[in-house]
Amino acid sequence: DAKTTQPNSMESNEEEPVHLPCNHSTISGTDYIHWYRQLPSQGPEYVIHGLTSNVNNRMASLAIAEDRKSSTLILHRATLRDAAVYYCILRDPNSNSGYALNFGKGTSLLVTP
Amino acid sequence: SQTIHQWPATLVQPVGSPLSLECTVEGTSNPNLYWYRQAAGRGLQLLFYSVGIGQISSEVPQNLSASRPQDRQFILSSKKLLLSDSGFYLCAWRGLAGPYEQYFGPGTRLTVT
Repeated sequence: DAKTTQPNSMESNEEEPVHLPCNHSTISGTDYIHWYRQLPSQGPEYVIHGLTSNVNNRMASLAIAEDRKSSTLILHRATLRDAAVYYCILRDPNSNSGYALNFGKGTSLLVTP
Repeated sequence: SQTIHQWPATLVQPVGSPLSLECTVEGTSNPNLYWYRQAAGRGLQLLFYSVGIGQISSEVPQNLSASRPQDRQFILSSKKLLLSDSGFYLCAWRGLAGPYEQYFGPGTRLTVT
C-alpha cells in the first residue's frame, strides 16, 4: 500500500473549523482515501472516504487535491467529542488482503474549550 | 441493523497461560472479519483477516492464531501468552455491500502479567 504522512498532533478551539492534512505522494490510481478516527479507549470509527472528487457527509468533508497526492479532512465545527486520533489510510479495493486496513500513527487532535 | 460483540471486555492473564477472545457479528452474512491489536501508545496492527469460514490469513507471525468456525464468529487464541501480547484487541467486520467501511467492536483490553 502507498504510504501516508500525517502530523503527529494538532490543536483546535471548540466550534472552529479543523483541517487535518494527509500527504500521499505515491498514491496509485486505484487507491481510495479513507479516514477513520479513534476516540480514547474505543475502536476506530469510519469517517469518510473518496477517490478523486471532494466528498461531504454528516461527519466531515474530504478535500482531495487535483493530483491526488494529498487530501484534507475538514471538521466544520470542532466539538470536544471530536478529540481523537484521526487516521488517513489508502486502500485499493482490488487488493488481495480482504480489504484490511493499514493504520499508521495518525494525527492526535486536541480540542480546547 | 448490524452489531458486533467482543468479550471479555478486560482480561488479566499470567505469562504462559492460554487465551481465547471471541467476536461475533449480527445482522449480516458472509462478512470479512479482522483482528487488530493496539499496544500501549502504538498504532493498530492487523493480526488476522478472514474472507470466509475456515479461511484465515495471518499478517504477522507470532504466537497467536485465529479461527472462524462459523460465518459470523471469529476467535483469537494463544496457547501460551507472552508479556508482549498485552494490548487492546479489536475485532472488525466489513460487509460485501459496502466495501469502504469497517466496523469495529468495543475491544478487549488484555494485560499479561
